[in-house]
Amino acid sequence: GENVEQHPSTLSVQEGDSAVIKCTYSDSASNYFPWYKQELGKRPQLIIDIRSNVGEKKDQRIAVTLNKTAKHFSLHITETQPEDSAVYFCAASTTSGTYKYIFGTGTRLKVLA
Amino acid sequence: EAQVTQNPRYLITVTGKKLTVTCSQNMNHEYMSWYRQDPGLGLRQIYYSMNVEVTDKGDVPEGYKVSRKEKRNFPLILESPSPNQTSLYFCASSFLAGGGEQFFGPGTRLTVL
Repeated sequence: GENVEQHPSTLSVQEGDSAVIKCTYSDSASNYFPWYKQELGKRPQLIIDIRSNVGEKKDQRIAVTLNKTAKHFSLHITETQPEDSAVYFCAASTTSGTYKYIFGTGTRLKVLA
Repeated sequence: EAQVTQNPRYLITVTGKKLTVTCSQNMNHEYMSWYRQDPGLGLRQIYYSMNVEVTDKGDVPEGYKVSRKEKRNFPLILESPSPNQTSLYFCASSFLAGGGEQFFGPGTRLTVL
């Protein structure tokens, strides 16, 4: 079945450094790729998303890149801050057909002050 | 205030005792979904609904039922709960099926003894 693999499962970076989280999806029909941030004890919240007709999208310190050929997409956080510490989930879905959402297993990011 | 609500927030029950977790959204969203979150497994979709009376299975539907009789409500039913259904459950909704931001409820922590 459809699958989204996410790496790494944990990531520690020094404050001010960059963090990169990578995901690979299996369903070639996937065309929507969101990233969610979940702080401890809270609900997941969308931080950025990208559609299959776009290769890169930026929003301040956060960027997402998509390589449709390789079925890879990545989250880049620059100038990390302690408040970036959280669990990050990637996901893939389609806007036709099954409408399933498949999430990755999450990356716990720790930003060390 | 635009929101997704879930009730109850916490529930401890025993094996075999039927229960329902309610989910309601006030944003007129067409797409609603249920997820379970378990350590190391990320968010796994249980069921989703594209509109009233239209539901479909996600990745882990066994042991669960749903219904969508009204646009705003999407209850999750466990007819005979078992200990392996102990988990954190999230309801979510989005305006678009499969291709838009999902807004998550606060979560329901369920323990089945």
